[in-house]
Formats: sequence, C-alpha cells, structure tokens
Amino acid sequence: EVQLLESGGGLVQPGGSLRLSCAASGFTFSSSTMSWVRQAPGQGLEWVSSISASGATTYYADSVKGRFTISRDNSENTLFLQMNSLRAEDTAVYYCAKDSASFFYWGQGNRVTVSS
Amino acid sequence: DVVLTQSPLSLPVTLGQPASISCRSSQSLVYSDGNTYLSWLQQRPGQTPRRLIYKVSNRDSGVPDRFSGSGSGTDFTLQINRVEAEDVGVYYCMQGTHWPRTFGQGTKVEIK
Repeated sequence: EVQLLESGGGLVQPGGSLRLSCAASGFTFSSSTMSWVRQAPGQGLEWVSSISASGATTYYADSVKGRFTISRDNSENTLFLQMNSLRAEDTAVYYCAKDSASFFYWGQGNRVTVSS
Repeated sequence: DVVLTQSPLSLPVTLGQPASISCRSSQSLVYSDGNTYLSWLQQRPGQTPRRLIYKVSNRDSGVPDRFSGSGSGTDFTLQINRVEAEDVGVYYCMQGTHWPRTFGQGTKVEIK
C-alpha cells in the first residue's frame, strides 16, 4: 500500500524558514518523480514543485522560485521541501504527491501558517 | 503558463440528475508522446484531493462508473450521471503536459 506521510509544518514568522518532509513507502521511491502541491485556506489547489526520480531535475512555481528548494533522499525514501523567506501568502496545507503529470497518491497534508 | 478555465464554478444539482463540468485550456494539452495529461480530481469537504480521471477519460480504480471524462486538445468535460449525495465537493481539472503544472479554479458541486 502506497503511503506518503508528511511532517514538519507549523507556525512560523514572516521571513522565517521551515522544512517539510514526506516519508514514502509502498512503491519504488527512487523510480518516481515527486511533487508538492499546496492549498491556501478556502482556496484551490496550487502546484508548488516537482523533482525527477534521481533528483537531478527540479521545477518550481514562479511564486516560490528562489525561496523554496525541493530535494529527496532516495536511500531514506524521503522527499523534502525547504521553505525560506516565508510570506503570509505561503500559508497553506502542503501535500506531497507521487508523480508529476497526474496525482493519484497524496499525503494527508501538512499545515504551514506564516504569521507574526 | 497554461490557464485552465472551469465552468461553472458553482453547480447546484438535484439528486439523481446528471451534472457536467467544463475545463478549457489556453493551450493544447497533447504532449509529444501523444498522450493528453488532463486529469480530474474530487475534493470532498475536509478531505484530501482524490483523482477520478487521468489522461482525459481513464477512470481510476474504485471510482464509480457514473463519472466519465471526455474531450481533446483544449476542451474537456467531466460528466456525472445521476449525482449522489457523496458527490458533493469541489472538482478540479489539472494539466500535466506543460510546466508549470496548473489546476482549474475548481467547481463546487452541491445538492439543491
């Protein structure tokens, strides 16, 4: 059974940093592209970032480029999202998702709140 | 960026009646491999999104056959035959052909 378990969210002040993790199991993690998708309170879904299976290629939404970094540890089956220079508009539930062209498997979501 | 425009944004439906949601793309979603990476997701209140349809018309396992997807190029439709109470929620189209990936604004389906 595929499982994606996120951790690392919480409350942070504007300008601060957080690192999200997504522990994967039930599939060959090292062969899968992975993604982050977020959803601001009461809003729709927004793709944030994706990373190739090897980690060599990354993609970012313009809204986070230069501030967020996606990475992975294939030996630990874990996906990361390092979020720096956080802004109020980054407040959202962050989901990790398997693949990048279409998302069948989703994590349970991890809430990030940016507020002073 | 590819803009996906859904309509309507709000869809009140009577139980047992059909419902249809349109998703129009600002660019063709046909990828160089010949596939069209347009999917539909359902998000019930308070729940994680769930994919219903992938590559335009392929229903995911466990998805009731009252859900169907159709379309090509830039115009796509999600059809729900005989809406049931459990279908209440927000429906999103999403494209995985171009970077950045984009979602439609969402269509809220509610029971009249």
